Amino acid sequence: KQEVTQIPAALSVPEGENLVLNCSFTDSAIYNLQWFRQDPGKGLTSLLLIQSSQREQTSGRLNASLDKSSGRSTLYIAASQPGDSATYLCAVPDYKLSFGAGTTVTVRA
Amino acid sequence: ETGVTQSPTHLIKTRGQQVTLRCSSQSGHNTVSWYQQALGQGPQFIFQYYREEENGRGNFPPRFSGLQFPNYSSELNVNALELDDSALYLCASSRENQGADTQYFGPGTRLTVL
Repeated sequence: KQEVTQIPAALSVPEGENLVLNCSFTDSAIYNLQWFRQDPGKGLTSLLLIQSSQREQTSGRLNASLDKSSGRSTLYIAASQPGDSATYLCAVPDYKLSFGAGTTVTVRA
Repeated sequence: ETGVTQSPTHLIKTRGQQVTLRCSSQSGHNTVSWYQQALGQGPQFIFQYYREEENGRGNFPPRFSGLQFPNYSSELNVNALELDDSALYLCASSRENQGADTQYFGPGTRLTVL
């Protein structure tokens, strides 16, 4: 059974700092890994999807890395802004998505 | 292209009642998955429907049941509601019956059980 863990559970940084969010998974036989953003009480917005053959994926200020052998992915958000405040979830699929509990980010103006 | 929609947005029920939540999948998507997200936790997989058949189920009791219709829309039914059923229920659709594809999530239905 795939177990997904996210550390830290919460993070508060001043505006402009870079954010580093960690995700670990127990079963390295994955097709891909996704990072999602969730605003309070809302649905999920897909940010990045990294295929198992990739090591990195970038979208604007977001960069996600994947190391299958160590069962880890990291989401980097450069030059954080107050609008980046949200919960960030990673998920690993087989026929379903297995989610971590998320990291709640607060960017202080 | 219409995204995934869910109804209702919010719902309040009392313990023991039954509830039906609805999801319309994105155009061209034939797979629908349902997730339960309790406060402060990540979404937990309930079940998935692919071309109107259940195609996998998480660790949820039989009082959680579902349907998928020929137009690929879906319902989640919960009988004998319990207080712990209070959660955000998310629906996600995808093109293929494979985990490698990107799932698109709806905005969710917030269920409160009193």
